[in-house]
Amino acid sequence: DAKTTQPPSMDCAEGRAANLPCNHSTISGNEYVYWYRQIHSQGPQYIIHGLKNNETNEMASLIITEDRKSSTLILPHATLRDTAVYYCIVRVINTGTASKLTFGTGTRLQVTL
Amino acid sequence: GAVVSQHPSWVICKSGTSVKIECRSLDFQATTMFWYRQFPKQSLMLMATSNEGSKATYEQGVEKDKFLINHASLTLSTLTVTSAHPEDSSFYICSAREARGSGNTIYFGEGSWLTVV
Repeated sequence: DAKTTQPPSMDCAEGRAANLPCNHSTISGNEYVYWYRQIHSQGPQYIIHGLKNNETNEMASLIITEDRKSSTLILPHATLRDTAVYYCIVRVINTGTASKLTFGTGTRLQVTL
Repeated sequence: GAVVSQHPSWVICKSGTSVKIECRSLDFQATTMFWYRQFPKQSLMLMATSNEGSKATYEQGVEKDKFLINHASLTLSTLTVTSAHPEDSSFYICSAREARGSGNTIYFGEGSWLTVV
């Protein structure tokens, strides 16, 4: 799986949008971009994933650049409960052999009052 | 989303004993489950990939005889830490890939804290 680069930490004021960047310049054509987050002492929580189109769900939006070399996870109205480590992961999806998720160091997002 | 449950949430065991951690997919069938270990202030490290009905595939540096993995059904995988030592104390997390469709999403359990004394 391609390697990703994320800033180690970010701060965001409660109520504001949190924009978390991720660089994946070596991504392959069949690799998806996944985002997970891990709140302290819990298992990772799936947020969203995409291939090349922008995606939105009830938790967040995912913006992928046209060349697919980077992406941004957007939490539109951050709350204190969004404080967590956010992981950007690229992964091949196939129906045969399962493809694993390899975690990097992620971005520690601190939402403040 | 799909639910993956781990048991126990935390366990304390004596050095030299073995401890088993269960991982269950509650509302979906999982042909593949993954086991991770996480030390304090570090990222998740994949230990092994568990496939239903076959032997697990271990990552480099992970001792297969020490960390026994069994995936006997489509909803249950177990990790047994044998002859545990204090350095095995860690947060163990499992995840499961849905068998249905293309298995686009992998869901994680709540994690199990192991303390070896």
